[in-house]
Amino acid sequence: NAGVTQTPKFQVLKTGQSMTLQCAQDMNHEYMSWYRQDPGMGLRLIHYSVGAGITDQGEVPNGYNVSRSTTEDFPLRLLSAAPSQTSVYFCASSLPGRVRETQYFGPGTRLLVL
Amino acid sequence: AQKITQTQPGMFVQEKEAVTLDCTYDTSDPSYGLFWYKQPSSGEMIFLIYQGSYDQQNATEGRYSLNFQKARKSANLVISASQLGDSAMYFCAMRETSGTYKYIFGTGTRLKVLA
Repeated sequence: NAGVTQTPKFQVLKTGQSMTLQCAQDMNHEYMSWYRQDPGMGLRLIHYSVGAGITDQGEVPNGYNVSRSTTEDFPLRLLSAAPSQTSVYFCASSLPGRVRETQYFGPGTRLLVL
Repeated sequence: AQKITQTQPGMFVQEKEAVTLDCTYDTSDPSYGLFWYKQPSSGEMIFLIYQGSYDQQNATEGRYSLNFQKARKSANLVISASQLGDSAMYFCAMRETSGTYKYIFGTGTRLKVLA
């Protein structure tokens, strides 16, 4: 199993550009989520999904879109990048409600918006 | 609303000693899960331990244990016999299980183990 994979690992964008951060998992997990991590802020939930075709907003959804057409993939789209979106982005997946619930994280994507 | 509070921005501990990292939470949901994660300087997020709100016993995973005090709404992480490799950021997190399934994280505690 590859676990949770994220691409790219690092990206530089100019203000106003759009891009998609890819996330995939091969564990057949129902739950997937996107977080951003800024210094001193911990991880903040952007969007999450409890299954294919179902998505919902997290704490900081503005400027981001998601879709979940398959169980495996959960891409995050930046519509018009802004310097405030410079951050480290983590994708995660899990099977909620299990006895020993574990959320697995991808390695992260470092995004710099100039 | 859900809330996780970690009041210790940084902690020091001597190698081989035990250390407790504090975490308090707030939720109105009677069913929830509590988690601790480790983030070393390399940046990856590593799951350490999970405690369900209805679990009768405190969770343990090797040198990690979770001191769960439900009435106080606290879920402190205890690391026994600290090692130099334990130096990292530690995050407490919570997920309500009968509502929105959202995870929320605290701001973290940076632990430094001294030789």
